[in-house]
Amino acid sequence: KAGVTQTPRYLIKTRGQQVTLSCSPISGHRSVSWYQQTPGQGLQFLFEYFSETQRNKGNFPGRFSGRQFSNSRSEMNVSTLELGDSALYLCASSLLTSGSGIDTQYFGPGTRLTVL
Amino acid sequence: AQSVTQLGSHVSVSEGALVLLRCNYSSSVPPYLFWYVQYPNQGLQLLLKYTTGATLVKGINGFEAEFKKSETSFHLTKPSAHMSDAAEYFCAVSERADYQLIWGAGTKLIIKP
Repeated sequence: KAGVTQTPRYLIKTRGQQVTLSCSPISGHRSVSWYQQTPGQGLQFLFEYFSETQRNKGNFPGRFSGRQFSNSRSEMNVSTLELGDSALYLCASSLLTSGSGIDTQYFGPGTRLTVL
Repeated sequence: AQSVTQLGSHVSVSEGALVLLRCNYSSSVPPYLFWYVQYPNQGLQLLLKYTTGATLVKGINGFEAEFKKSETSFHLTKPSAHMSDAAEYFCAVSERADYQLIWGAGTKLIIKP
């Protein structure tokens, strides 16, 4: 079974631009979570989607948004990029057959975003 | 509010020595606890998790962790370190069934030959 895939793996943008990152979960997984990882702040939760609905959201400004499609693939968008948005963005999927409870999260390799 | 503290941003051990990575958490309800490992330029991989039941949890690659409620700890151990264990290790906690994880800052494990 293929793992979680994220595209692109590397991205360079300039301040003020916007960016869209894509995540394809493991087949059959319905929950997708997004995280931002930086050396200074560590791993921070962005949001989680289950069956196309955002169920949880972390403490990030509205410039960060996401969505999930009917095939469970997810995208996250960052508008008006700032230098501080440079980070590794990780996507994780989990099975969560019942829509609740704890299940193992499987992570993709991440997208490394550099904002110049 | 939940929080996770990992003691030591870097831990250095000799190959063959005991590995001990510390994790303490704060939670108002029985938590779910996780250890993940991240190798350079890769995503995170689950090592082990505690949800309910036996407090000593065995994971992959010879790692184990023990949930100690009285100490609010979930330390990760491995009896004998191997060079391939060099990576960054993250402890995470969730006290909600809808699975929002709170992460520790991570501990880089360095293995000396």
